[in-house]
Amino acid sequence: AQSVAQPEDQVNVAEGNPLTVKCTYSVSGNPYLFWYVQYPNRGLQFLLKYITGDNLVKGSYGFEAEFNKSQTSFHLKKPSALVSDSALYFCAVRPYRGSTLGRLYFGRGTQLTVWP
Amino acid sequence: EPEVTQTPSHQVTQMGQEVILRCVPISNHLYFYWYRQILGQKVEFLVSFYNNEISEKSEIFDDQFSVERPDGSNFTLKIRSTKLEDSAMYFCASSEVLAVADTQYFGPGTRLTVL
Repeated sequence: AQSVAQPEDQVNVAEGNPLTVKCTYSVSGNPYLFWYVQYPNRGLQFLLKYITGDNLVKGSYGFEAEFNKSQTSFHLKKPSALVSDSALYFCAVRPYRGSTLGRLYFGRGTQLTVWP
Repeated sequence: EPEVTQTPSHQVTQMGQEVILRCVPISNHLYFYWYRQILGQKVEFLVSFYNNEISEKSEIFDDQFSVERPDGSNFTLKIRSTKLEDSAMYFCASSEVLAVADTQYFGPGTRLTVL
């Protein structure tokens, strides 16, 4: 069965400090991994994705994520957090094989709060 | 930048009533999806739709649910007889192609409250 875990419901970090939002996954076959962000009263906005190639993926707003196959992780990172990064972050996985080609499997989300 | 839009933003209904949630996908996209998120739980896939047919549906998407593309721009989710447990945020998404590498773009959601 495909699943995504975001072990932290909340992450708090001071502005200017590095941030990490954790994600681990379980999927049959090769994983295709995504990060989305949700600001209040907005939809899920795409941040970045890992398909193949370089394990470090760069995305929007200075975010990056590192794919680690041995640890089945895809942690979201940013070197220097901004107050405006405060939002709800979702990790999602899509399996490479099988009938569930289109669907995304989401984690429960992690609320990131960056204080000034 | 093109966006997926959804209406209404909030719908309140009585148990047993029918509701229709509306979505306008990005104009050149061909694949459409509905997901939902019950408060405090994961975002869950409901259904995908392509070429006027359901491509895939989850176990949640039972006979009470239906989807339709009534014209060239709208994509709707109908719940025939709402239950209390249908209360959730419903997200519409669209993608240009159907490929594992393709990105799904989401709308802002409709919050459905069933009383």
